[in-house]
Amino acid sequence: EPEVTQTPSHQVTQMGQEVILRCVPISNHLYFYWYRQILGQKVEFLVSFYNNEISEKSEIFDDQFSVERPDGSNFTLKIRSTKLEDSAMYFCASRRAFAREQFFGPGTRLTVL
Amino acid sequence: QKEVEQNSGPLSVPEGAIASLNCTYSDRGSQSFFWYRQYSGKSPELIMSIYSNGDKEDGRFTAQLNKASQYVSLLIRDSQPSDSATYLCAVNSVYSSASKIIFGSGTRLSIRP
Repeated sequence: EPEVTQTPSHQVTQMGQEVILRCVPISNHLYFYWYRQILGQKVEFLVSFYNNEISEKSEIFDDQFSVERPDGSNFTLKIRSTKLEDSAMYFCASRRAFAREQFFGPGTRLTVL
Repeated sequence: QKEVEQNSGPLSVPEGAIASLNCTYSDRGSQSFFWYRQYSGKSPELIMSIYSNGDKEDGRFTAQLNKASQYVSLLIRDSQPSDSATYLCAVNSVYSSASKIIFGSGTRLSIRP
């Protein structure tokens, strides 16, 4: 069964550094999402992406964040200058057109020191 | 503020019994409702989706929806130790063109042998 994949599984970085989190959505899916979950808290929506552009973003998704689909398979989340409070699990999700279910990848644990 | 509310638990259920998990949501216009299972340190795994009032069964799982009461529930029959996890209720946002999902904080379920 096709799955969303994410790399790396764990990223440790120094405050102020740039990080890129990578996702490969399920191949026939057209809608892509990033969510994050701070330890012990709810899963929170960050951004959605469709047809090579952002369709919606949350208040969390400020100018430090960007997303890109650099080729036909990868979907990336970049954080330009990481802060301590960016430490969280970051989940990529995708869904098919005309479907409602979103399927999540295994996540990247980001630790900012 | 659009919210999804769940009892955080822990809910302790003996093996073989029925586990009943509940969720309320505030946005009356919500149309899609999901239950995700999340093991500690892992990503949310979709186990049920429901869109119409009534019951929907899939194996040992039954989702129940009552839109008038803005209430969603999940029943797990013949509970197994492997069902011990956090169960996330999730609702689509009607104000979201991208169909972002709003998650509850989850109910921790523990199945005791």
